[in-house]
Amino acid sequence: QQQVKQSPQSLIVQKGGIPIINCAYENTAFDYFPWYQQFPGKGPALLIAIRPDVSEKKEGRFTISFNKSAKQFSLHIMDSQPGDSATYFCAASSGGNEKLTFGTGTRLTIIP
Amino acid sequence: KAGVTQTPRYLIKTRGQQVTLSCSPISGHRSVSWYQQTPGQGLQFLFEYFSETQRNKGNFPGRFSGRQFSNSRSEMNVSTLELGDSALYLCASSLDPTGTWGNTIYFGEGSWLTVV
Repeated sequence: QQQVKQSPQSLIVQKGGIPIINCAYENTAFDYFPWYQQFPGKGPALLIAIRPDVSEKKEGRFTISFNKSAKQFSLHIMDSQPGDSATYFCAASSGGNEKLTFGTGTRLTIIP
Repeated sequence: KAGVTQTPRYLIKTRGQQVTLSCSPISGHRSVSWYQQTPGQGLQFLFEYFSETQRNKGNFPGRFSGRQFSNSRSEMNVSTLELGDSALYLCASSLDPTGTWGNTIYFGEGSWLTVV
């Protein structure tokens, strides 16, 4: 019940396209859903996060869509750039808990 | 403002040895968590400390342990190293773990451990 399932495992998108990464969770106690971006040799960095009472959140070119009834959330990257090439992780936690349960990651490549 | 600092960045150990990794959280942050990252298992939570007390623990064997000092700095220790312990060990810190929604968790760059 603690799993967060993430897809696809890898994704190649042309510059300017809109990559979409999907995550699904089982634990209905989760109430914090962040997305992290990780470049090779670096630690994960928080991109954007959403709470379950909001259906969509935008920060710059990054948008999270959230479907509480389906227990799914997704990351969209608008006007993608080669510099967005990285591994993206969705995660979830509950009750202000610092324990994050991570998805398995998506390796995104943006080709010029 | 300095980020989460982890030392050492890279190390190689022999099976059966033990290792200690160090983490300095962002100034003012009181919660420190540790994660293991491997290609096969992804990012997995090890444990979290706040005010020198372990608040949460993941599903790792007792060979994995940690502690937090009064200045919030933390160490984790792995005893009797196995080949499968080869991984990137990430430390993360946050400001306030007391149930406030959306505490941003900041990660360090990690310590790469190779067990041979």
